[in-house]
Amino acid sequence: AQKITQTQPGMFVQEKEAVTLDCTYDTSDQSYGLFWYKQPSSGEMIFLIYQGSYDEQNATEGRYSLNFQKARKSANLVISASQLGDSAMYFCAMGPLYNFNKFYFGSGTKLNVKP
Amino acid sequence: DTAVSQTPKYLVTQMGNDKSIKCEQNLGHDTMYWYKQDSKKFLKIMFSYNNKELIINETVPNRFSPKSPDKAHLNLHINSLELGDSAVYFCASSQAGGLTGELFFGEGSRLTVL
Repeated sequence: AQKITQTQPGMFVQEKEAVTLDCTYDTSDQSYGLFWYKQPSSGEMIFLIYQGSYDEQNATEGRYSLNFQKARKSANLVISASQLGDSAMYFCAMGPLYNFNKFYFGSGTKLNVKP
Repeated sequence: DTAVSQTPKYLVTQMGNDKSIKCEQNLGHDTMYWYKQDSKKFLKIMFSYNNKELIINETVPNRFSPKSPDKAHLNLHINSLELGDSAVYFCASSQAGGLTGELFFGEGSRLTVL
């Protein structure tokens, strides 16, 4: 069975500072993908970043990077130089590669960026 | 053009009614999904469907049924609505075998059952 855990229901960060959102997972699959999505107050789900379990290097997308530690089964999202527009819910998700039928989301972290 | 579009965005209805939410994707993806996001923001898959197979999450009541008139559409029908059905419903699509496997979401449809 798969499980995704986000232990931080809410976080605050000062504008322009970096912030790390935690995500741990458990799976019996050998190959899997890890994802982060952003959900602003407007409600849409925005894809941010992806990491394959086979990738040796951590994924980066602009100000977003994924700190992937396979042995610890963690896939933390790092947002550098926080902006007010980063205030949103952030969801970690995972699933076996190419199989979204078993795609599970964490409970989310509400990030508030303070001016 | 919106990649995955859902209508209506908001739906308010009475208990016992039957309602539908429509979803269309113009990405040429072969698989579409419905997710439910409850009041605690928890997202849970309800269905996945491609032209070959419908996979239903076993926890979904049979009052919920997906209907796909063609590859680009996956509508959600809900019969005999209950208070607990109030949630935001997201449609999504993906391409099997995609390199990164990105799941594209619609904007969500907020259903309120009174």
